Amino acid sequence: DTEVTQTPKHLVMGMTNKKSLKCEQHMGHRAMYWYKQKAKKPPELMFVYSYEKLSINESVPSRFSPECPNSSLLNLHLHALQPEDSALYLCASSQDRGPAPQYFGPGTRLLVL
Amino acid sequence: AQSVSQHNHHVILSEAASLELGCNYSYGGTVNLFWYVQYPGQHLQLLLKYFSGDPLVKGIKGFEAEFIKSKFSFNLRKPSVQWSDTAEYFCAVHNTDKLIFGTGTRLQVFP
Repeated sequence: DTEVTQTPKHLVMGMTNKKSLKCEQHMGHRAMYWYKQKAKKPPELMFVYSYEKLSINESVPSRFSPECPNSSLLNLHLHALQPEDSALYLCASSQDRGPAPQYFGPGTRLLVL
Repeated sequence: AQSVSQHNHHVILSEAASLELGCNYSYGGTVNLFWYVQYPGQHLQLLLKYFSGDPLVKGIKGFEAEFIKSKFSFNLRKPSVQWSDTAEYFCAVHNTDKLIFGTGTRLQVFP
């Protein structure tokens, strides 16, 4: 099973809302990632978790708050987003944070109004 | 900082044509290279990877890539494309726990 699942598939939120994106994998992977992908652009790394600890934050604004409750779950809490934050948010996992292949979920398409 | 270049932004081919998509990376040391594909409306999928050993690597769906260290290149090839290969293709290099993607190549295959 090489599946990474993400919920919700679509999300529309206002600039004052608080929402959360969820990601789950059951491959026993110990590294998990959040990426942001704008239309016709490559994914941009946001956060890396390794063994449930945040290891990389790519200078992401604090209105994005990641959380890793356990080794299978990864959340991204959203608060006071801007319209320019509208994008496809991808979750990925890999065996560890080394050069192992990353497996991507289908993403959450976020629209901020 | 390490970077990845994909010079072909948009490629249009007829079915059965041969495909080669260019990828160049900037780092001169040990590299771990990947090709990912994103079919319309689907998630990113790993096509193939190179870590070490035989520089010609074979992936899924008939794709292969050749690592040429002297040219800092990792080009993707397929001898005969199908309409179902229409997708966005991303080359990526792994560096210090990060996967760095190229800008992508949009491939359109017409029947």
